[in-house]
Amino acid sequence: KQEVTQIPAALSVPEGENLVLNCSFTDSAIYNLQWFRQDPGKGLTSLLLIQSSQREQTSGRLNASLDKSSGRSTLYIAASQPGDSATYLCAVRGSGAGSYQLTFGKGTKLSVIP
Amino acid sequence: ETGVTQSPTHLIKTRGQQVTLRCSSQSGHNTVSWYQQALGQGPQFIFQYYREEENGRGNFPPRFSGLQFPNYSSELNVNALELDDSALYLCASSQTGGWTDTQYFGPGTRLTVL
Repeated sequence: KQEVTQIPAALSVPEGENLVLNCSFTDSAIYNLQWFRQDPGKGLTSLLLIQSSQREQTSGRLNASLDKSSGRSTLYIAASQPGDSATYLCAVRGSGAGSYQLTFGKGTKLSVIP
Repeated sequence: ETGVTQSPTHLIKTRGQQVTLRCSSQSGHNTVSWYQQALGQGPQFIFQYYREEENGRGNFPPRFSGLQFPNYSSELNVNALELDDSALYLCASSQTGGWTDTQYFGPGTRLTVL
């Protein structure tokens, strides 16, 4: 059974700092990994999708990397802003019988202090 | 392009009642998935519909059921509500249901069971 862990559970940083969020998964047989942002009480906004054949994806100040063999992904946020404050979730789509579902971590709650 | 929409936004029910939640998928998408997100947790996969057929189900009892209509909109029905059913219910659509597709989430329906 695939399990996804995100560390840290919460993070508070001053504005302008670069930061890294971590995601690990137990089964490396995945199709892809997706990073989402969730504002309080709201739905999920897709940030980046990395296919299993890719090593990284970039969008603006965000960069996500994937090391499938070690079961790890990182989300790098450059020059953080107060508007980046949210919960960040990673999710993997496994291959095989569980390929129709995303398995999520519990998220990292980020606070960027002005 | 219209995104994923869900209704209602909030709902309060009492234990034992039945509830129906609705989702309109993003234009051009034929696959809909439903997720349950308890407070402080990552979303948990309930089931997926592809072209009006359920083609994947998570670890949820049969009192959680669904439908997908010819226009690819979807309903989630929950019978015999329990207190633990209180959660944010998220709907996600994707273009083809393929494993490499990005999932786009709606804003969710907040269900409270008293």
